[in-house]
Amino acid sequence: DAKTTQPTSMDCAEGRAANLPCNHSTISGNEYVYWYRQIHSQGPQYIIHGLKNNETNEMASLIITEDRKSSTLILPHATLRDTAVYYCIPSTSSNTGKLIFGQGTTLQVKP
Amino acid sequence: KAGVTQTPRYLIKTRGQQVTLSCSPISGHRSVSWYQQTPGQGLQFLFEYFSETQRNKGNFPGRFSGRQFSNSRSEMNVSTLELGDSALYLCASSLVSQGLTDTQYFGPGTRLTVL
Repeated sequence: DAKTTQPTSMDCAEGRAANLPCNHSTISGNEYVYWYRQIHSQGPQYIIHGLKNNETNEMASLIITEDRKSSTLILPHATLRDTAVYYCIPSTSSNTGKLIFGQGTTLQVKP
Repeated sequence: KAGVTQTPRYLIKTRGQQVTLSCSPISGHRSVSWYQQTPGQGLQFLFEYFSETQRNKGNFPGRFSGRQFSNSRSEMNVSTLELGDSALYLCASSLVSQGLTDTQYFGPGTRLTVL
């Protein structure tokens, strides 16, 4: 399983874009990059995932570098409800039933 | 569609007892995974069940076990409880298509306290 490195914590002003980086330099060719978040005392919530190309959905955008060694999750207009721990998780499509969570990044959105 | 449900939501047990936690997946989801979350170790994978068979297993002692029923509902059991088993236990369900598991949807968790 690929190892990940994420900042322990980040702050973001409400209404501004939140850019959360993740380093996954040992990712293998068949591993997707998944992002989940966990709001305090709730179960984790799926955000987005990608393999090579950049992806966008109603929640966020995912930018993956060309060498796939790192990625950035972008919340375009952060709100107070986006305050959570964000996890970057490499996983193969045949193994997403077994997610290996790291320590994640605690994002604090401030008014 | 109803989300993943877990029962009970809170549980208090004493050392040496055993406990059974239940998880009902989203309708149509056939894979169920279990995780343990503690302040010290974070979120750790316990096991995954698919079609009533354990498909993946994490690095936990044999006191932790699980099973899945034909309707995809799952239970996990912890025997001979230790203080360190106090944790939030999370269940997640996924669709499975052509053997590949889709993204996971998590339940609210069961908060177990061992005294």
